[in-house]
Amino acid sequence: DAKTTQPTSMDCAEGRAANLPCNHSTISGNEYVYWYRQIHSQGPQYIIHGLKNNETNEMASLIITEDRKSSTLILPHATLRDTAVYYCMTAGNYKLTFGKGTLLTVNP
Amino acid sequence: DTAVSQTPKYLVTQMGNDKSIKCEQNLGHDTMYWYKQDSKKFLKIMFSYNNKELIINETVPNRFSPKSPDKAHLNLHINSLELGDSAVYFCASSPSAGTGNTIYFGEGSWLTVV
Repeated sequence: DAKTTQPTSMDCAEGRAANLPCNHSTISGNEYVYWYRQIHSQGPQYIIHGLKNNETNEMASLIITEDRKSSTLILPHATLRDTAVYYCMTAGNYKLTFGKGTLLTVNP
Repeated sequence: DTAVSQTPKYLVTQMGNDKSIKCEQNLGHDTMYWYKQDSKKFLKIMFSYNNKELIINETVPNRFSPKSPDKAHLNLHINSLELGDSAVYFCASSPSAGTGNTIYFGEGSWLTVV
C-alpha cells in the first residue's frame, strides 16, 4: 500500500471550513484514498473514500487531484466535536495501514 | 444498535493469564478484523477473516489466536499475557474483502496487563 504524508497538526476556527491535505505520490492505479478520524478514546470513524473523482457525503468532501498524488479532506463547517486525529490512507485491498495522522483542533 | 460491538470494554489482568475479547457485528458483513493500538497510538492490523477463513495474519505472536465461529463473530484469545500486550484492541468489519470497501470499527477494548 502507498505511503501517505500529512501535517502533524492543524488548527481551525469553529464554523469555518477545515481543509486537511494529504500527499500520496506513490499511489497505485487501483488504490482508493480513505479518510478516517479518531476522537479521543473512541474507535476510528469512517469519513469518506474515493478512487479518482471528487466525493461528497454528509460529513465531508474529498478532493483528489487529477494525477491522484494528493488529496484534500474538507469539513465545510467545523465544530468543536470535529477535534480529532484525521488519518489519510490508501488501500488497494481490504487492508488499511494507519499512519500518524493530523491532529485537527477546532477552536471556539 | 451498535454495528460492531466488543466486550469487555476494559480489562485489567495479571501477566501470564489467558483472556479473551469478543466481537460481534450486526451489519451482515463477510469480513472482520482485529487491530491493535499501542501506547504510541499507532493502529496496526493483526488479523482478518473472510467468511470465517483467515486471510491476514500480520506476524502476530502465536499467543494470539483469533476464532471465528460464524461470520458475525470474531473473538480474540490471548494466552500467557505479557506487559507489552497492554493496548487498545479494535474489532472491525467490512462488507467483503474486495477493494473500495468501507471498514467499520468498534469502540475498542482497553487491555492492561500488570
